[in-house]
Amino acid sequence: SYDLTQPPSVSVSPGQTANIICSGDNLGDKNVCWYQQRPGQSPVLVIYQDNMRPSGIPERFSGSNSGNTGTLTISGTQPMDEADYYCQTWAGSTVVFGGGTKLTVL
Amino acid sequence: QVQLQESGPGLVKPSGTLSLTCTVSGGSITSYYWSWIRQPPGKGLEWIGYKYYSGGTIYNPSLKSRVTISLDTSKNQFSLKLSSLTAADTAVYYCARDGPLQRFDYWGRGTLVTVSS
Repeated sequence: SYDLTQPPSVSVSPGQTANIICSGDNLGDKNVCWYQQRPGQSPVLVIYQDNMRPSGIPERFSGSNSGNTGTLTISGTQPMDEADYYCQTWAGSTVVFGGGTKLTVL
Repeated sequence: QVQLQESGPGLVKPSGTLSLTCTVSGGSITSYYWSWIRQPPGKGLEWIGYKYYSGGTIYNPSLKSRVTISLDTSKNQFSLKLSSLTAADTAVYYCARDGPLQRFDYWGRGTLVTVSS
């Protein structure tokens, strides 16, 4: 089976840049999505196809994917960005999620 | 705007079968793929499976023997059945659309299902 690995937690100061990584074998050959989940809420798509932002997602969210690592970057992090973030890809016909990263803004 | 809403019992007994329905509004289920995803309390997301209206169904290999996903185009709904339940199946269950460009672009609000006697 295909696995995606994320760090359990990342901390960032307000206004700084947060990088959340997602690791998987040859992940750069696949499309990666990122979802934000605030407590008690459903996940929200923030990045698809490695680096595309859906309408309504702030420009401070960006993504990249190369080699074995996908990265979600949040520039100028705001307190409202504190949430869990999940990466997701496809392995053949099946869907795989990373274990999630809790982003703390302090 | 596409909206999804899960419905079904919030409490089911061990060894029983979980049955949930997702009602879709603002779009037809005859397009795209329709998925179920779950999240145990305090844990991460786990994909259960998806179905395409023309018949294609793919399940998570770890759940495949216990899962059935079906579509009812007349009601614009899709459903989940998960059998042989244990406490480990306690989770918030989400329905979601796997839209264009392979992205889960619309999600339901989720429904908590507890497996307990």
